[in-house]
Amino acid sequence: QQQVKQSPQSLIVQKGGIPIINCAYENTAFDYFPWYQQFPGKGPALLIAIRPDVSEKKEGRFTISFNKSAKQFSLHIMDSQPGDSATYFCAAFSGNTGKLIFGQGTTLQVKP
Amino acid sequence: SAVISQKPSRDICQRGTSLTIQCQVDSQVTMMFWYRQQPGQSLTLIATANQGSEATYESGFVIDKFPISRPNLTFSTLTVSNMSPEDSSIYLCSAGRGGDEQYFGPGTRLTVT
Repeated sequence: QQQVKQSPQSLIVQKGGIPIINCAYENTAFDYFPWYQQFPGKGPALLIAIRPDVSEKKEGRFTISFNKSAKQFSLHIMDSQPGDSATYFCAAFSGNTGKLIFGQGTTLQVKP
Repeated sequence: SAVISQKPSRDICQRGTSLTIQCQVDSQVTMMFWYRQQPGQSLTLIATANQGSEATYESGFVIDKFPISRPNLTFSTLTVSNMSPEDSSIYLCSAGRGGDEQYFGPGTRLTVT
């Protein structure tokens, strides 16, 4: 019940495309859903996050869509650039446990 | 946000030895955590570093193997004890005012030979 399932494992898009990464969870106690971006050799960087009282959040070219009834959320990257090539992790936080649970990660390659 | 630094950035250690990793945060934070990340894999929580008390360990991780200290609100250490090649991994420190919005350090890349 603590799992967060992320898909796809890897993704290749052309520059300007809109990659979409999906995550699903089971535990309805989760109340905060962040996305992290990690470049090779670096630590994960907090990219954008959403709470379940909203269905969408945009920050620059990054958008989170949240479907509370389906227990799913996704990351969309608008006008993707080669510099967006990285590994993306979704995560979920429960105030009950005080811990972040991470998805398996998606490796994104944006081709020039 | 918080800026987090870790030392060392990488190390190569011999089997049976111990390594202490330091984590420094640029501001006072309530929560600090230690994670392990195998190359190409996701993050696994090792423990929550509690200021002034013993760390809270996740299933599969024990204090004798991964002793943690947190003497104040901006600093923590993780020791990897009696190392074996299976301990080769990336060790990450994170911090935040709550457990939700966590900021990560750059990681320590450990290779055990």
